[in-house]
Amino acid sequence: RKEVEQDPGPFNVPEGATVAFNCTYSNSASQSFFWYRQDCRKEPKLLMSVYSSGNEDGRFTAQLNRASQYISLLIRDSKLSDSATYLCVVDTGRRALTFGSGTRLQVQP
Amino acid sequence: SAVISQKPSRDICQRGTSLTIQCQVDSQVTMMFWYRQQPGQSLTLIATANQGSEATYESGFVIDKFPISRPNLTFSTLTVSNMSPEDSSIYLCSVEDPQGRTQYFGPGTRLTVL
Repeated sequence: RKEVEQDPGPFNVPEGATVAFNCTYSNSASQSFFWYRQDCRKEPKLLMSVYSSGNEDGRFTAQLNRASQYISLLIRDSKLSDSATYLCVVDTGRRALTFGSGTRLQVQP
Repeated sequence: SAVISQKPSRDICQRGTSLTIQCQVDSQVTMMFWYRQQPGQSLTLIATANQGSEATYESGFVIDKFPISRPNLTFSTLTVSNMSPEDSSIYLCSVEDPQGRTQYFGPGTRLTVL
């Protein structure tokens, strides 16, 4: 079983749609959680950290459920510029990151 | 966030040769990390490099194949030794943010081995 699992997609959505990505992790000792965004042929960039209380940054909302070992990312009012691969990332406490395989989002006009 | 540069940005190499990738950061950082991203895959950690100590390698990666140097707090190198086509990947270095919460990545080195 992979340490971090994501639906690879692609998710093809129209502009303005709301889309949700899910991720599960296997190591219950994991301490920190993140969503990164990776554009084609670019390095990953931090989108947001994920906290148990949930956190929101503009159109993006992230949630963490430790009991279910489940992380989610919600994007509201999708823009063309949101098209990218979204990586679920977990830090098990070793200060080294474990990446999911990524979920590809394509927002269409 | 730290500004991270890598050299070369890309290279095409013959099998059996070695390539050294450089990673430069514009501020002093304790921990630097090297990752590999194979075509169509996500990132896999190769090793963690702390200044003044041996790098710590992840399962499946060995020092003879991927020797790492960390001579100071702003610089590291990763060498891909005795390359084969299976080593064709993007190699990325990263550093922790000052609060130690997450990591920022360099632009990557795209390696093709023929």
